Amino acid sequence: KNEVEQSPQNLTAQEGEFITINCSYSVGISALHWLQQHPGGGIVSLFMLSSGKKKHGRLIATINIQEKHSSLHITASHPRDSAVYICAVSGSGGGADGLTFGKGTHLIIQP
Amino acid sequence: KAGVTQTPRYLIKTRGQQVTLSCSPISGHRSVSWYQQTPGQGLQFLFEYFSETQRNKGNFPGRFSGRQFSNSRSEMNVSTLELGDSALYLCASSLAAVDTQYFGPGTRLTVL
Repeated sequence: KNEVEQSPQNLTAQEGEFITINCSYSVGISALHWLQQHPGGGIVSLFMLSSGKKKHGRLIATINIQEKHSSLHITASHPRDSAVYICAVSGSGGGADGLTFGKGTHLIIQP
Repeated sequence: KAGVTQTPRYLIKTRGQQVTLSCSPISGHRSVSWYQQTPGQGLQFLFEYFSETQRNKGNFPGRFSGRQFSNSRSEMNVSTLELGDSALYLCASSLAAVDTQYFGPGTRLTVL
């Protein structure tokens, strides 16, 4: 069973700061997902990656398969980025074992 | 293209009752997964369906069951409800099992 650890659990920063959220997992995976959840419950998939780096707007996600580690970066953070960011992994069993989730990082960006 | 829809959005039941939740995936998506989210346990995998077949199930008791229809719509059922079943139930659809998952808004179930 994969164990997914995220850090930090809570993060408060000022608008404009560079944000980094980390995720580590214990066993091999087929893909890693970064999700965003706003108050009210809706979850949006930000990235799915199995190697290297992806960028979308001000968001960057990287993964190091050998070290079993991924990071999510937010550049020029804005109050609208305030949300819970969740790391999840698809197991190496072809994905039929569903996603295993980290506990999430509560991010607050103050104006 | 319409997103993933879930009905109902809110539900209040009493202990011992049963409940059925529905999920309509994005058109063309054949994989539907169900998740439970609680403050204590976070997000947990319930089960995944692909082309009407349940391919795997998470660590939940047999009171939790589901099915998928030929049009990919899915339902999950919880029988003999317990207080601890109070949670947000989310479904997500994707083209394949290992693919970007698109989440529905969830059904918030309260068991009294």
